Amino acid sequence: QVQLVQSGAEVKKPGASVKVSCKASGFLADGVAWVRQAPGQGLEWMGWIHVYNGDTNYAHKFQDRVTMTIDTSTHTAYMEVTSLRSDDTAIYYCARRGPQYMDVWGKGTTVTVSS
Amino acid sequence: DIVMTQTPLSSSVTLGQPASISCRSSQSLVHSDGDTKLSWLHQRPGQPPKLLIYEISKRFSGVPDRFSGSGAGTDFTLKISRVEPDDVGVYYCVQATQYPHTFGQGTKLEIK
Repeated sequence: QVQLVQSGAEVKKPGASVKVSCKASGFLADGVAWVRQAPGQGLEWMGWIHVYNGDTNYAHKFQDRVTMTIDTSTHTAYMEVTSLRSDDTAIYYCARRGPQYMDVWGKGTTVTVSS
Repeated sequence: DIVMTQTPLSSSVTLGQPASISCRSSQSLVHSDGDTKLSWLHQRPGQPPKLLIYEISKRFSGVPDRFSGSGAGTDFTLKISRVEPDDVGVYYCVQATQYPHTFGQGTKLEIK
């Protein structure tokens, strides 16, 4: 059973950047999607990266501030958000995208943006 | 962007009774490959989401057959035949037919 292990919680100041990692214990299938959840809110799809060619697709609101990358040698995906704002405070999840869509999820990384 | 609208936003159900959640999309979710990429996820409090159903009605591995998905085009339904205590939490529909993928607002299921 594939597991996704995410990096630990982060506290950042407004305007800073954060880079979250997501390491797979096995096959990444088609790629990795990133989803975030603000406190008490629903799920928000941020984008995904294809494991084989590195192609990405971002939600419009994240296109200018989010970069997703993947290191196939270590089965690790990364998601960086720049110019952090207080409303970026959220739990950030990675999920494996396979034939059955988002079939394996990481436990989430809490990112807190506060001055 | 495709807008996903779930109803109800909350539901209180007696143990052993059925539950039903509706999800409507602002446009057809039939993909160019012929599949309809509509999934259902379940999130328990303090936990990451888990995949329940994909492509409208296919149960993910390990999901009890109390859960069933149905629908076509723009209207979809998740049904739980007999609600159990572990079923509490929030249920989300999500479409992967068109970028950006989009989630419904979520439906909170509680036990009465």
